[in-house]
Amino acid sequence: AQKVTQAQTEISVVEKEDVTLDCVYETRDTTYYLFWYKQPPSGELVFLIRRNSFDEQNEISGRYSWNFQKSTSSFNFTITASQVVDSAVYFCALSADTNAGKSTFGDGTTLTVKP
Amino acid sequence: DTGVSQDPRHKITKRGQNVTFRCDPISEHNRLYWYRQTLGQGPEFLTYFQNEAQLEKSRLLSDRFSAERPKGSFSTLEIQRTEQGDSAMYLCASSLARVSSGANVLTFGAGSRLTVL
Repeated sequence: AQKVTQAQTEISVVEKEDVTLDCVYETRDTTYYLFWYKQPPSGELVFLIRRNSFDEQNEISGRYSWNFQKSTSSFNFTITASQVVDSAVYFCALSADTNAGKSTFGDGTTLTVKP
Repeated sequence: DTGVSQDPRHKITKRGQNVTFRCDPISEHNRLYWYRQTLGQGPEFLTYFQNEAQLEKSRLLSDRFSAERPKGSFSTLEIQRTEQGDSAMYLCASSLARVSSGANVLTFGAGSRLTVL
């Protein structure tokens, strides 16, 4: 069975602060895929990143960066210099194969960035 | 293409009534997925289609739930004899699955919120 745990239910920061969202996963598969999505108040989940289990390189995209560590089964997400527009619910997800639609999602972390 | 569209955005119904939600995916996407999302939780996979074929429906919550994608384009999710526990957001997503690529990227709709009184 697969499981994704996002232990932080809610995080509140002040604009320009850095913030890290934690994601810990459980799987018995040797090949798997990890994802992060953003769900703003409008409701649509927006894809942010995909990472397969064989690629442990960290990735940076603008103010966003991701730290994948297989040794600790974690895939953490950092927002640098947070902005009010970053306020949303962020979900981490795990898929056993390339069919990302069957992913197991965590329960999300609600991020509030205050001006 | 304006993305994945879902209709209606909100539906309020009385217990015991049937409801139907529609999802229009991105036109070139061959896969379509349905999810349920309850407050404070992540999306829960229900079923999916590849073109018009429903490839998995074992995760539909009960036999009151059914989905169709008759021509491989739009899809409907029907809930019969609704119960208060069915109140949730129902999300649709689509993707283009290619044999040679890695995990497919999903595009989600904004969801249909169901309230059962």
